Amino acid sequence: DQQVKQNSPSLSVQEGRISILNCDYTNSMFDYFLWYKKYPAEGPTFLISISSIKDKNEDGRFTVFLNKSAKHLSLHIVPSQPGDSAVYFCAASGWLSVRGKLIFGQGTELSVKP
Amino acid sequence: ETGVTQTPRHLVMGMTNKKSLKCEQHLGHNAMYWYKQSAKKPLELMFVYSLEERVENNSVPSRFSPECPNSSHLFLHLHTLQPEDSALYLCASSQSFDRVGQPQHFGDGTRLSIL
Repeated sequence: DQQVKQNSPSLSVQEGRISILNCDYTNSMFDYFLWYKKYPAEGPTFLISISSIKDKNEDGRFTVFLNKSAKHLSLHIVPSQPGDSAVYFCAASGWLSVRGKLIFGQGTELSVKP
Repeated sequence: ETGVTQTPRHLVMGMTNKKSLKCEQHLGHNAMYWYKQSAKKPLELMFVYSLEERVENNSVPSRFSPECPNSSHLFLHLHTLQPEDSALYLCASSQSFDRVGQPQHFGDGTRLSIL
């Protein structure tokens, strides 16, 4: 049973436009969520996170939105740049459920076209 | 440079070989992790070490044997692997396993191919 799901395996966006990557989770005990970016032949790198006490967190061009009632989070990239082309993973954690572990989704491959 | 170094980057081995993957972190972290990533699948957590003590073993077959001699080094010993074990193996570290939500820092992985 997959607790964190990214239902879109790929997304293609024009440079300068908004990229929206989505993630759904099933475990209501999760209380911290993270996004990672992964380039080919490299390990995942941490991008941005959000605690369940917030519904939005912003860092430069990256904003993460959390909708707890829908068990849904999204990552917005504005404006998108060709260097943003990578695989994006969302991950969830929660002390009462998985302690310090991160539960990952299967990733969405973003392609930003010039 | 993530502060987590994995060697080798690529490994090809037969099913009867014995090899080891190495991970070293220079971040002063107390927790280290091994993950397996197969194509189009989520990262699968294999093992967790906190302060050199194994705190998690996610039903991993005994042909994978982890070792954590100190908080900076982590090994994954491999023996009699199967073709389905071919994957990217990632090492990660974090400040503490007991602090929820802190990011884990990943190495670039070892691409393992079993012939």
